Amino acid sequence: AQSVTQLGSHVSVSEGALVLLRCNYSSSVPPYLFWYVQYPNQGLQLLLKYTTGATLVKGINGFEAEFKKSETSFHLTKPSAHMSDAAEYFCAVRVSGGSYIPTFGRGTSLIVHP
Amino acid sequence: DTGVSQDPRHKITKRGQNVTFRCDPISEHNRLYWYRQTLGQGPEFLTYFQNEAQLEKSRLLSDRFSAERPKGSFSTLEIQRTEQGDSAMYLCASSLEAHSPIDTLHFGNGTRLTVT
Repeated sequence: AQSVTQLGSHVSVSEGALVLLRCNYSSSVPPYLFWYVQYPNQGLQLLLKYTTGATLVKGINGFEAEFKKSETSFHLTKPSAHMSDAAEYFCAVRVSGGSYIPTFGRGTSLIVHP
Repeated sequence: DTGVSQDPRHKITKRGQNVTFRCDPISEHNRLYWYRQTLGQGPEFLTYFQNEAQLEKSRLLSDRFSAERPKGSFSTLEIQRTEQGDSAMYLCASSLEAHSPIDTLHFGNGTRLTVT
């Protein structure tokens, strides 16, 4: 079975500060990992995804994430937070060999202070 | 690409009533998913279709829930005899590839159900 754990339901940063949102996964086979963002009253939008190859993945809006197999992690970072980054962020995992149904974490709410 | 469309955006109903939600996926997308999202939680899988075939249902999908996707186009999710615990955001997503773990899910804006 696959699962993801997002540490911290809320993360608060100042505008211009580093953003770090944590995600750890559990999977018995090589995973495919995703980060989605959800703005208020909207659906989820893909930020970035790791499939194979390069472990550092760049996404939209200046976000990036690094796949670390030894740590079973896929943390999301952004060097400098902007007010418009305030949203809910979800980590998700899919594995091959099955129906590829994505499993989502509980989400982390990013709060950006001026 | 007009995106995934869900209707209605909001639905308030009384306990015991039936409700139906509609999802129009991106045209030519093979897969269609239904998820439920409650406050403070991530999306929880309910069911998915590959074209018109409903291939998997979660244990979360009780007998009061039924979903259809006639002709492999739009989909409906019906909840019979609604309960207060059904209050949630119901999300629909579609994806192009039928057998790919890396294709992108495109989500609609959801239908927020409130059962009073």
